[in-house]
Amino acid sequence: EVQLVESGGGLVQPGGSLRLSCAASGFTFSSFEMNWVRQAPGKGLEWVSYISNSGSTIYYADSVKGRFTSSRDNAKNSLYLQMNSLRPEETAVYYCAREGGWRDFQHWGQGTLVTVSS
Amino acid sequence: SYVLTQPPSVSVAPGKTARITCGGDNIGSKSVHWYQQKPGQAPVLVIYYDGDRPSGIPERFSGSNSGNTATLTISRVEAGDEADYYCQVWDSITYHRVFGGGTKLTVL
Repeated sequence: EVQLVESGGGLVQPGGSLRLSCAASGFTFSSFEMNWVRQAPGKGLEWVSYISNSGSTIYYADSVKGRFTSSRDNAKNSLYLQMNSLRPEETAVYYCAREGGWRDFQHWGQGTLVTVSS
Repeated sequence: SYVLTQPPSVSVAPGKTARITCGGDNIGSKSVHWYQQKPGQAPVLVIYYDGDRPSGIPERFSGSNSGNTATLTISRVEAGDEADYYCQVWDSITYHRVFGGGTKLTVL
């Protein structure tokens, strides 16, 4: 069974940093492309970042480019999102999602809540 | 950047058919995916590649895509279908993944 478990969320001050992790199991992690998607309270889904299976190709939403860094460790079956210079409007649940062959999001984790507030 | 437009809300009586649209410039040339999200839960893929269903998704869920509009159709709607629904595509110019704003389906 595919499992994705996010961790690392919490309360951080504006301008601060946080590192999220996503632990994958139940599939060959190194064979799949992965994404981060976030959802602000009461709002819709927003794609944040994509990383290829090898980690050599990464894309970011314009809203986070230059501040967020996505990475992965295939030996540890883990995906990471380093978030710097966080803003209050980035308070959201952050999900990791496994990508399918049609650029769809086949499987999602349960998410981790990031709160940016003083 | 590519924009997807969904109606904020759709209402339907139980047993009837619900149709949720997703508009985008020449969206018919893209593969459209649909997600269902219930309160407090992660999204679930219900339709991919315009009209294919992942295993475990009821046949009542179907999709179509042509021109500037993609449509998610839910037949014989049940109370348990009440949720937010999101469409999503891949933008081949920016390589970004794009979501629609979401549609809240209310079962009357």
